[in-house]
Amino acid sequence: AQKVTQAQTEISVVEKEDVTLDCVYETRDTTYYLFWYKQPPSGELVFLIRRNSFDEQNEISGRYSWNFQKSTSSFNFTITASQVVDSAVYFCALSESGQFYFGTGTSLTVIP
Amino acid sequence: NAGVTQTPKFQVLKTGQSMTLQCAQDMNHEYMSWYRQDPGMGLRLIHYSVGAGITDQGEVPNGYNVSRSTTEDFPLRLLSAAPSQTSVYFCASRPLQGRYGYTFGSGTRLTVV
Repeated sequence: AQKVTQAQTEISVVEKEDVTLDCVYETRDTTYYLFWYKQPPSGELVFLIRRNSFDEQNEISGRYSWNFQKSTSSFNFTITASQVVDSAVYFCALSESGQFYFGTGTSLTVIP
Repeated sequence: NAGVTQTPKFQVLKTGQSMTLQCAQDMNHEYMSWYRQDPGMGLRLIHYSVGAGITDQGEVPNGYNVSRSTTEDFPLRLLSAAPSQTSVYFCASRPLQGRYGYTFGSGTRLTVV
């Protein structure tokens, strides 16, 4: 079974639309960490955010926000008023017991 | 602070050739990993190391070899390249504690013909 599931393989939105990327994880640990990474067309992997399992507060950073819900084992990522520069592949990841697990990624295309 | 440095950025190999992908980090991270990225399959772990002298296999280790003689360096060797090894390879490092995320190298695009 997948430890991290990103069910949306590809998403296309028109510029200025809001978009939410879903991430569902599976763990039995009480202490774990969740991450989002961005991979723009240039190919590098860029760290966006880390969340620990004890902090369920939503996080907002500019147009980006993250919704962590332990009850549904989800760590969703919302981009508000999307821009062309947001076009990228986004990976969600789980760290538990020293091991890292990546989702298969969601490719987001923002159409001008 | 260079972070994680990977070389080369691009490489074309003929089937059966061997080569080494270089990876170096200057952050004193204990944990280093090699991933390959293929369309639709996300990042798959090839090999990893939790410190100098210690390496272990990941999800897709066949056809690859690693060593970790220093904290800084973690080269990946392709023993006899096959077309199935055409991929983008990423080296990454992080502190040993799981609460820290990876810092990735810029990737190597490898084509085996």
